[in-house]
Amino acid sequence: NAGVTQTPKFQVLKTGQSMTLQCAQDMNHNSMYWYRQDPGMGLRLIYYSASEGTTDKGEVPNGYNVSRLNKREFSLRLESAAPSQTSVYFCASNHDENQPQHFGDGTRLSIL
Amino acid sequence: GEDVEQSLFLSVREGDSSVINCTYTDSSSTYLYWYKQEPGAGLQLLTYIFSNMDMKQDQRLTVLLNKKDKHLSLRIADTQTGDSAIYFCAESRGTYKYIFGTGTRLKVLA
Repeated sequence: NAGVTQTPKFQVLKTGQSMTLQCAQDMNHNSMYWYRQDPGMGLRLIYYSASEGTTDKGEVPNGYNVSRLNKREFSLRLESAAPSQTSVYFCASNHDENQPQHFGDGTRLSIL
Repeated sequence: GEDVEQSLFLSVREGDSSVINCTYTDSSSTYLYWYKQEPGAGLQLLTYIFSNMDMKQDQRLTVLLNKKDKHLSLRIADTQTGDSAIYFCAESRGTYKYIFGTGTRLKVLA
């Protein structure tokens, strides 16, 4: 009964390093999302994938890329990490745009 | 999250009712959601309401929707210490983009 699984749970990077955050869901959901959560700002959508093979920008896409590897997996890549990208990153999924989103436990990322 | 507003903090005594409020701006919202976030964890869906409903009750939780005032509330009856968490309201507008509030931190005093 895993739901949405994110790896890693914690990561520390140096400015300029690259990293890929992994997300997998086992609920056969069509849509997947990446958010970042910063203090006092709620959750902001970075990218989403409405269905396998499609990706679209959210509210704050700059500095990130995504890949919808297959129906289960949706990864988020930071090509050249910056301190402003220090945040908690959440992956979510749902069947379609009107269904509740289910969240992973997050990746806590610090960039020095 | 600037389109969805919540108060930042709420403190209640154990056994009392808690009411967490949320205001939103888009009248085209289709669904409105309440999520709970405990420390170090992701967001857990508590309940949701379709925009053509006024009220939904689920055990200790009651959701009230006032479409005219664009106001959503979550009432937790008989609040317990385990209810201490951050509560987020969110709206969807028939697109893939949810809009989240900034969260209300509920502290339950024993």
